[in-house]
Formats: sequence, C-alpha cells, structure tokens
Amino acid sequence: KAGVTQTPRYLIKTRGQQVTLSCSPISGHRSVSWYQQTPGQGLQFLFEYFSETQRNKGNFPGRFSGRQFSNSRSEMNVSTLELGDSALYLCASSLGQFSTGELFFGEGSRLTVL
Amino acid sequence: QQQVKQSPQSLIVQKGGIPIINCAYENTAFDYFPWYQQFPGKGPALLIAIRPDVSEKKEGRFTISFNKSAKQFSLHIMDSQPGDSATYFCAASRGGAQKLVFGQGTRLTINP
Repeated sequence: KAGVTQTPRYLIKTRGQQVTLSCSPISGHRSVSWYQQTPGQGLQFLFEYFSETQRNKGNFPGRFSGRQFSNSRSEMNVSTLELGDSALYLCASSLGQFSTGELFFGEGSRLTVL
Repeated sequence: QQQVKQSPQSLIVQKGGIPIINCAYENTAFDYFPWYQQFPGKGPALLIAIRPDVSEKKEGRFTISFNKSAKQFSLHIMDSQPGDSATYFCAASRGGAQKLVFGQGTRLTINP
C-alpha cells in the first residue's frame, strides 16, 4: 500500500511569489491535514480537510489556504511568500473524520524562500 | 491552554539504557496522546498512543506512562538501540480531531 505522497519534495521561491504543494493520501483515507515544521516553532497545525470541506484551521494568516478534491487529494497554497515561510510542509492522512487520531505523514515538501 | 510542553530538548543515552521523555499538557479536554518518531528527511511516524482512561501502555520496547491528575505523560524506551536515535514528539488532540498539538521534540541519541 503506497504511503502519503507529497510533491514537490524541494522547492525554492523568492519573497512575494506564491507556491502550491500537493498531497496524495493513502488509498481509502478521506481526511487530510497539513502541518508546518520549523526548527523554531516545531510542528504546527495548518488545516484539516474531510470530504472536500475544511474541518479545522490553525492559527496562520490568510495567505495560507488549502483545498481537497473529490478523490481526497489535497493542495495547499501560500501566497505572497515571506522569508519566515521557509519550512517543511507535511501532509498527513487518516481514515475518517473521527478516526483514532492516527495520522500517517508524508515525507514533506521543503520550501525555501529567498 | 493548547500547549504541550516536552522535555528534555536533547538526550544522549548509552546502548541498553532507558531514555525517558516527558510531556505536560494544560487542556483537560485532550483525550488522545500519541508519540511520533521522526528520522532525518522523513515525516513523523506514529510510535504508540494512549487515552486518559489508561495509566500505562506498552508496545514492544516502548512504554507510555500517563498521569491524568498531574496532566503529564512520558515515553520510556527499554533496551535502547542506536537505531532508536531520532527525534521524538509527543502530541495531544481531542474528540478524534486530526488537529494534533505537538511538543517541541526531543532529539535522542543512543551511543553504541
């Protein structure tokens, strides 16, 4: 069974640009959540999607957005990039909206903003 | 109220020793407490998890101890091996939500 797949794995952008990251969950998983990982702030929750609906949102500015498609695949977008957006962005999937809480993480997309 | 505090930040143990990582939470609504293990270049992977109606849970060499009254929980790794060297994160969530609140992580090194 394939794991959570995130693309691209690495990318470099400049300030002011925007970026879109993609996540394909484990087959059969309907819930997708996104996390930002930085050395200073650690792992922080961005948002969670289930059946194409955003169920929960973390404390991030509106420049961070996401969506989920009917096949459960998800994308997140960051507009007007800032230096502080440099981070590892992790996608996680789980079976359902109120599953055991076990999240399966992908290997992440490492974003560098110059 | 949403914080999970983890200590120590880093830990070095000899092979065969028992590293212990501690976490404390504030929000009594939390009802699910997982531990994740992360190797460099990889995403976190679930190691073991506990709910507050249980005081201890063992899975292989990994044990979670949970103290509901103190709002603390800890991870013990028995017979630690160099392959256990990784960063460990505790976390908490409530109501089956996928929103995990993570501790800051502990970088564990097991020396051979």
